[in-house]
Amino acid sequence: AQSVTQLGSHVSVSEGALVLLRCNYSSSVPPYLFWYVQYPNQGLQLLLKYTTGATLVKGINGFEAEFKKSETSFHLTKPSAHMSDAAEYFCALNTGGFKTIFGAGTRLFVKA
Amino acid sequence: GAVVSQHPSRVICKSGTSVKIECRSLDFQATTMFWYRQFPKKSLMLMATSNEGSKATYEQGVEKDKFLINHASLTLSTLTVTSAHPEDSSFYICSAQQGLGYNEQFFGPGTRLTVL
Repeated sequence: AQSVTQLGSHVSVSEGALVLLRCNYSSSVPPYLFWYVQYPNQGLQLLLKYTTGATLVKGINGFEAEFKKSETSFHLTKPSAHMSDAAEYFCALNTGGFKTIFGAGTRLFVKA
Repeated sequence: GAVVSQHPSRVICKSGTSVKIECRSLDFQATTMFWYRQFPKKSLMLMATSNEGSKATYEQGVEKDKFLINHASLTLSTLTVTSAHPEDSSFYICSAQQGLGYNEQFFGPGTRLTVL
């Protein structure tokens, strides 16, 4: 069965510091992996996605993620946090079918 | 990216009434649309998957008679919450994708339903 685990329901960083949001997955077939961001009372916005090819994926707003098959991980990073990055982040997995499985989410707090 | 709209963005209704939420793909034809429910500070829970012109496929535990889904065209899907109760209060999000199998999903902005 496929699953997505996000380590840490809350992450707090200072403005300008590195952002690291962790995501591990379980899949019996090669996965498609996604990171979404959600601001309060809004839908989800795609930050980046990995389907095939290069394992380091760059997304919007300076975020990037690296697909590591050996570690079954797809952690999201950003070198320097900005106040506007404060939001809820969801890691998600799709195995080529209709259903996308979401992680529980990680709320990112950015301190001034 | 493609744009998906939802209407209304917020709705407050009395217990026992029915509420319809619309999901539209504005600039592409959506073969498949998804309806999610999100509880406060929780992840998205898939309620059902709908394909244009056919009956929706509901996830286990979702009452199909309570949450009626209609995907009448390639750009419109509706979710009707029938005989709403306070416990139906939630944030409902739709998404849409082109084609069959895997394709990127585009999410609507969500609808906040409050049942008094």
